[in-house]
Amino acid sequence: GDSVTQMEGPVTLSEEAFLTINCTYTATGYPSLFWYVQYPGEGLQLLLKATKADDKGSNKGFEATYRKETTSFHLEKGSVQVSDSAVYFCALTYSGGGADGLTFGKGTHLIIQP
Amino acid sequence: GAVVSQHPSWVICKSGTSVKIECRSLDFQATTMFWYRQFPKQSLMLMATSNEGSKATYEQGVEKDKFLINHASLTLSTLTVTSAHPEDSSFYICSASRVGSGQEAFFGQGTRLTVV
Repeated sequence: GDSVTQMEGPVTLSEEAFLTINCTYTATGYPSLFWYVQYPGEGLQLLLKATKADDKGSNKGFEATYRKETTSFHLEKGSVQVSDSAVYFCALTYSGGGADGLTFGKGTHLIIQP
Repeated sequence: GAVVSQHPSWVICKSGTSVKIECRSLDFQATTMFWYRQFPKQSLMLMATSNEGSKATYEQGVEKDKFLINHASLTLSTLTVTSAHPEDSSFYICSASRVGSGQEAFFGQGTRLTVV
């Protein structure tokens, strides 16, 4: 079956550092890929998505590129802020996220220190 | 917009009792709602998909008689954990997709269930 693997956390960085959170996937078809973020005490929120190979999703300074050849969707940000501290989930689905359930990675807890 | 609310946010119940968790879309109509379960340091695992007015579709390995799902309206789905046991203790999360959208699911805050 399909699966998503992302780097274990917690990941601790200083403010303004460069961030990479690795995500790789195993899928039988050509899924859409997502990054969700969960801030403390809140529900998961869609951060960005990409629906086909070589697409780049971006939002709030975060970027991720759908790499079919390496089955990866790594999340990057050039300069993190304390407010970016949260848990980040990589996920996939075949429907764009609305009609079918998502397959999630375990989540990566990101801690940004001032 | 697109707010999904779960209630309660946490609940403690005794073994053998049943507990109901509500998932509401506050400002939109949800064609489909999903229920996930998350164990500590594990992925969110899809339990079931429910469409308004029809029976839920359960993922393999999920006991439909233990986890009763009702989606009676376009804004409310409920998950009832029946005859709960300590191994049912977990974090349960719902999500909903909007009518006419089909592109994004919106998540509730989750419900922490502890069975003692």
